[in-house]
Amino acid sequence: GAVVSQHPSRVICKSGTSVKIECRSLDFQATTMFWYRQFPKQSLMLMATSNEGSKATYEQGVEKDKFLINHASLTLSTLTVTSAHPEDSSFYICSARAGGRPTGELFFGEGSRLTVL
Amino acid sequence: KQEVTQIPAALSVPEGENLVLNCSFTDSAIYNLQWFRQDPGKGLTSLLLIQSSQREQTSGRLNASLDKSSGRSTLYIAASQPGDSATYLCAVSPISGNTPLVFGKGTRLSVIA
Repeated sequence: GAVVSQHPSRVICKSGTSVKIECRSLDFQATTMFWYRQFPKQSLMLMATSNEGSKATYEQGVEKDKFLINHASLTLSTLTVTSAHPEDSSFYICSARAGGRPTGELFFGEGSRLTVL
Repeated sequence: KQEVTQIPAALSVPEGENLVLNCSFTDSAIYNLQWFRQDPGKGLTSLLLIQSSQREQTSGRLNASLDKSSGRSTLYIAASQPGDSATYLCAVSPISGNTPLVFGKGTRLSVIA
């Protein structure tokens, strides 16, 4: 199946610093990628839709200036958590749909665990 | 608004047992339904994808069914093994709105050797 890769898998940072997470589709092009956040023992919550060559679409309640998304190529989207605080500590997962159609299968990255001290 | 419910929230079975995980959704206007597996601290692995026009899909010991009109899906795992222990997530792709997938909260499965 299609592969989506995330990096880093774990990151620990000090409060106030910024952290960048990369999401790559390895064997297919993805004009759209999705960023999710998952709290312990909870399901995934969609944060934003990343669109190649245009601005990301954010879900209600997600601060766009806090979570910067850049989708500069058809295989790479990045999520930057700016001025991170302990409440931003979470598991962040990206996904991409092979084929680009809404009926296509969605593939997920391995996730990135962010811990803000 | 689409809502996905998974029952039970947790399940513990002895090795070798066949088991069924349940998923229900409130709006039948979906493109497809996917079942995922998530190991602790890991991402999601896609197990099965059922398009809205399909009734079931099979992969190895896994069989997933879809009854779109009643808003239900089941994931059947045959001859369970300790390696099957994980959280299983059901998600639907709604036709309306911009959300790619709406997830259930998952069923945490433990298979005891």
